[in-house]
This record gives sequence, C-alpha cells and structure tokens, in this order.
Amino acid sequence: DAGITQSPRHKVTETGTPVTLRCHQTENHRYMYWYRQDPGHGLRLIHYSYGVKDTDKGEVSDGYSVSRSKTEDFLLTLESATSSQTSVYFCAISGTGREETQYFGPGTRLLVL
Amino acid sequence: KQEVTQIPAALSVPEGENLVLNCSFTDSAIYNLQWFRQDPGKGLTSLLLIQSSQREQTSGRLNASLDKSSGRSTLYIAASQPGDSATYLCAVIPSGNTPLVFGKGTRLSVIA
Repeated sequence: DAGITQSPRHKVTETGTPVTLRCHQTENHRYMYWYRQDPGHGLRLIHYSYGVKDTDKGEVSDGYSVSRSKTEDFLLTLESATSSQTSVYFCAISGTGREETQYFGPGTRLLVL
Repeated sequence: KQEVTQIPAALSVPEGENLVLNCSFTDSAIYNLQWFRQDPGKGLTSLLLIQSSQREQTSGRLNASLDKSSGRSTLYIAASQPGDSATYLCAVIPSGNTPLVFGKGTRLSVIA
C-alpha cells in the first residue's frame, strides 16, 4: 500500500470554527488531491496540487483553501466550517508517468454541528 | 464536461456467479480509466488501471475492458465470493496527471 496518512481520522466541530486536515505521504509523489465523498454525490474534487506551492481548484472549492509547503504534506483548511461541509474527506496521491495510479488515504470523517 | 455513470447502482448476486459492472463516460478523449473498490467506512483501493491505448487489463478474477469509441468500460468478476461485497467505483482521467472524474459506484452484495 502507498504510504498515505490522514489526520485527524475523526473530528467533530462547531459551525464557524476553522478546521485543518492534514495529508502526509512518504512516496515523494508530485501530485496530491483532496476529495470529499457524500451520499448521492460520490467523490468530488476540492483542490489539488501539482508541486510544492502549486495548487488549483476543483469542482467544489468554495469555503476551502489548501497549502503545500513540502512535497510530503498537503493541508486542507475550512476557514469557517458549515454544516454542509460535514463529509468524509479523502486525500490521494499520484506520480508522473502513464502507468501511475492514484492512491487514496484512509479518509477523515468530519461532523460540523 | 466529462461525466461518468455507473449502472446499476446496486447489485445482489449469489456466490459463484460471474458478473459484469458497467461504466460509461461522455467524452471519449480520455487518458486512463481506473477501477476502485471501497469497503464500508474505508478508503479506496485501486483494482485496475487501463491506459487509453489498451483494451483490457486482468488481475486474478478481475478483468476490465475499455471501449473508448463507445465510451464504455466493464469490470468482469469471475466466480464471485462474499468477500467481493463492496462498492466498485469507476474513474476517468481526462488527460495526463489531471484529477479523476468518478462515477457514483455500484454497490455489490454477494450472498453465500
């Protein structure tokens, strides 16, 4: 299995508070992604990174920001959490090359009350 | 905009049966296609990746095919087992190193 960890694995927070989720990889892969998974919507891309300090928005980026200061870490921040951001968040990584698959982390379950 | 559809949304079969899961995509100009498995409460596990120049890939009892011109991929599972019960997700990579576009998955139950 690819070396991807996410922290925390579970979090309960209140509306209006900031929340930061961390994704850490040990594979030295260039690309990192944040997705959210919701019933009825499947997996949707929030933000992704194609290198240190290089990021781009995905399909559902409103209310989220990201940072990548090191190859191994990709942070997702909810500036002011809302109940609609209650979800399961997955980080993924991929290398370069045609045969490279995307590998997913174990996920973070976030509940915003 | 690329869209990925998986039909059926849920499937229940008796143990030992061979089965096919379907995936369709709207834009045939894809780079790769990937099949994943997800167990309840868990992350995604990559099963097979098919490059756009390939027609199929095999791993054990799994065989995935790709027909770009018709915008379809199938995942064939031979001799199904209860341990195959999971949600199977199809995802398309539109171009090199771009994010995946996912279908909503097929939830498979294999009954002993």
